[in-house]
Amino acid sequence: GAVVSQHPSRVICKSGTSVKIECRSLDFQATTMFWYRQFPKQSLMLMATSNEGSKATYEQGVEKDKFLINHASLTLSTLTVTSAHPEDSSFYICSARDGRALDYGYTFGSGTRLTVV
Amino acid sequence: TQLLKQSPQFLSIQEGENLTVYCNSSSVFSSLQWYRQEPGEGPVLLVTVVTGGEVKKLKRLTFQFGDARKDSSLHITAAQPGDTGLYLCAGGETSGSRLTFGEGTQLTVNP
Repeated sequence: GAVVSQHPSRVICKSGTSVKIECRSLDFQATTMFWYRQFPKQSLMLMATSNEGSKATYEQGVEKDKFLINHASLTLSTLTVTSAHPEDSSFYICSARDGRALDYGYTFGSGTRLTVV
Repeated sequence: TQLLKQSPQFLSIQEGENLTVYCNSSSVFSSLQWYRQEPGEGPVLLVTVVTGGEVKKLKRLTFQFGDARKDSSLHITAAQPGDTGLYLCAGGETSGSRLTFGEGTQLTVNP
């Protein structure tokens, strides 16, 4: 089945620094990938839709300059949290869908636990 | 904005009991998916339903899509501790489009 690899799985950074999270589709091409944020015991909140070769579409309330998304190839999207602060600490998850799949489901990465100290 | 209301949000039961989780919306979805997520991991797809009235079974799990394609349910028979996790329903407007997630149901099955 489709596999989405997300890296790193955990990162601790100092306040004010930037952190880059990678999301790769390993065995399929994904023109669109999605980035979510999840707080403990809560559901996934869509942050943005990453589009290969064009600008990402951000959800209302998500700061574009804070969460930079780059989708430079059909298999890689990156999310950069710039000038991170403790309130950015969260679980970030990406997903993509293999267009060849018969079901409508999306494959999710294993997530990145970001802790800003 | 399409919303999915999921209930209950928390459920703690004993091994062997049955349970049902509901996912309701006022909007029509082209497909509805159920995912299960364990702590520190991404959600894993359990099933997709696309046809109104559709029923799918996955071992002890039974999924149903409402006739009007606005609601869905997940029924687990004889729950086991390994069923513990966060269950999420998600609706898709069209194939390949963004998903709308329900609030999730945190299930704990006690041995």
